[in-house]
Amino acid sequence: AQSVTQLDSHVSVSEGTPVLLRCNYSSSYSPSLFWYVQHPNKGLQLLLKYTSAATLVKGINGFEAEFKKSETSFHLTKPSAHMSDAAEYFCVVRGGNYGQNFVFGPGTRLSVLP
Amino acid sequence: DTAVSQTPKYLVTQMGNDKSIKCEQNLGHDTMYWYKQDSKKFLKIMFSYNNKELIINETVPNRFSPKSPDKAHLNLHINSLELGDSAVYFCASSQDRWPGLHNEQFFGPGTRLTVL
Repeated sequence: AQSVTQLDSHVSVSEGTPVLLRCNYSSSYSPSLFWYVQHPNKGLQLLLKYTSAATLVKGINGFEAEFKKSETSFHLTKPSAHMSDAAEYFCVVRGGNYGQNFVFGPGTRLSVLP
Repeated sequence: DTAVSQTPKYLVTQMGNDKSIKCEQNLGHDTMYWYKQDSKKFLKIMFSYNNKELIINETVPNRFSPKSPDKAHLNLHINSLELGDSAVYFCASSQDRWPGLHNEQFFGPGTRLTVL
């Protein structure tokens, strides 16, 4: 079965410093991987997705993620945090018996300090 | 021009009542989903419909019944509400049933259900 582990439930960074949110997955398939962001009391927005065209994926708002098959990881990074980045971040892998589900990780709450 | 909309946004009700949450998407997608997000922010899929056909039915109490009158709508009806049903319920849609490499899900704003 597919699963997602997000190693940190809470990450706190200062504004202007780099962000690293970690995600490890397990999948029987060639994985489809996504990062979603949820701002407080809002819905979920797609940040980026892994399409197998390139291992380094660029998303919105300056975020990137690198797919590393050998490490089964898809960590999310941003060179410089902004106050508006404070939110909950979810790593998602395609799952289910026929790959029809989205399996969400438990989420990482990112706090950005002034 | 909202892509995926849900009503109501907030729902407060007593235990034992029956309630419905409505979802509509104007993206022309074939597949729609219901997710439950608990108090710890964990998101779990409940149901999925593809072109009005049920394709995913996770382990959910049969008090929960989805209804899809057409492929643009997926409503969630809950009978005999319990305290543990309190959560945020998200509707989502995707182009087709397989969340493939280019096929992300688009989420509604959520419905916060509180059962007293």
